[in-house]
Amino acid sequence: NAGVTQTPKFQVLKTGQSMTLQCAQDMNHEYMSWYRQDPGMGLRLIHYSVGAGITDQGEVPNGYNVSRSTTEDFPLRLLSAAPSQTSVYFCASSRAGVAEAFFGQGTRLTVV
Amino acid sequence: GDSVTQMEGPVTLSEEAFLTINCTYTATGYPSLFWYVQYPGEGLQLLLKATKADDKGSNKGFEATYRKETTSFHLEKGSVQVSDSAVYFCALSPRNTGFQKLVFGTGTRLLVSP
Repeated sequence: NAGVTQTPKFQVLKTGQSMTLQCAQDMNHEYMSWYRQDPGMGLRLIHYSVGAGITDQGEVPNGYNVSRSTTEDFPLRLLSAAPSQTSVYFCASSRAGVAEAFFGQGTRLTVV
Repeated sequence: GDSVTQMEGPVTLSEEAFLTINCTYTATGYPSLFWYVQYPGEGLQLLLKATKADDKGSNKGFEATYRKETTSFHLEKGSVQVSDSAVYFCALSPRNTGFQKLVFGTGTRLLVSP
């Protein structure tokens, strides 16, 4: 019963460094998405995907890239980390047309 | 655009007290509405949902009714327990997005003391 798995759980980056947050799901869900959670702002959608090879931007996409080469994986890339990207990142997946999303445990990222 | 407004916390209650967390929304059309719960150190879990007007979602003693006329989806529980301490998020999914996206409120922290 793995569900949605995110790695790493914690990460500290220096400004300008790049990294990839990993997300994998084993439920064969079509939809996957990335959110960031900031104090007082709830969760905001960064990017989402409705299937392998198809991605689109959410509310706050700047500074992030995604790709979806398989149904299972949806990595989030930070190209050049900035302190404003310090946040907790959540990956979610859901079945097409079903109103329930499953979330990973989150990655806490600090950019110094 | 679509948005969700929920009451600021923290909400502090004693065990067995009645809980209400207010949530109102702005959306075009008829979105689906959700309450998610986040326990310390964990991701979000779906608590309950309602997909059309007047639907009542319920789970683990929590309830919320989809009120189209007041654009509200308030969360209630008759008797809270210490184990209910968590952050609660109200959210909507615009119907025209096929449930691809969720729009969240800012979250309300609930603290229940013995």
